Amino acid sequence: SQTIHQWPATLVQPVGSPLSLECTVEGTSNPNLYWYRQAAGRGLQLLFYSVGIGQISSEVPQNLSASRPQDRQFILSSKKLLLSDSGFYLCAWARGTLGQQYFGPGTRLTVT
Amino acid sequence: AQRVTQPEKLLSVFKGAPVELKCNYSYSGSPELFWYVQYSRQRLQLLLRHISRESIKGFTADLNKGETSFHLKKPFAQEEDSAMYYCALSPPSSASKIIFGSGTRLSIRP
Repeated sequence: SQTIHQWPATLVQPVGSPLSLECTVEGTSNPNLYWYRQAAGRGLQLLFYSVGIGQISSEVPQNLSASRPQDRQFILSSKKLLLSDSGFYLCAWARGTLGQQYFGPGTRLTVT
Repeated sequence: AQRVTQPEKLLSVFKGAPVELKCNYSYSGSPELFWYVQYSRQRLQLLLRHISRESIKGFTADLNKGETSFHLKKPFAQEEDSAMYYCALSPPSSASKIIFGSGTRLSIRP
């Protein structure tokens, strides 16, 4: 069966520090991968998605970037965190264009 | 523009009462529509999708193309239905991109 992992579960970082959140999927190959930010009262905002290794699409301009160095690994990064980057970050995967997405447990990021 | 609107941030009903969570969407074509649910301390997960036309945990959702709505309904609410519910759409051939609404928190009172 397929599983999706995210780490760390929680993270507290000072403003201006770098960020690296990791997401890995097991039990499937060539998944579509997604990064979302979940903010209270604003639902889930799609940040990035990837349909293959090295292929990244950005949905909104921001202080973050994403990379997919391996088929089942998706990384969310920042060189210098802002206070506004605080939030709950969710990784998800999907098979091709079938629509349904499967979500990871999320990472709670607090920028101080 | 593609958009999903859930007008209610919070919906509180008594156990046994009917539930309707509203969802309207804006899309010019024929998207695939979903309801996702997040129970306390659990991952966000799919509840149902309109192409399946099935009832999950007593919930159903009817697509009304004329009104561009996809409201979620259950005739008799149960306490375990308390959760955050997100309506979402996926444009066809979109690499499974999903556009989520802002969510409705459903609280079932005993």
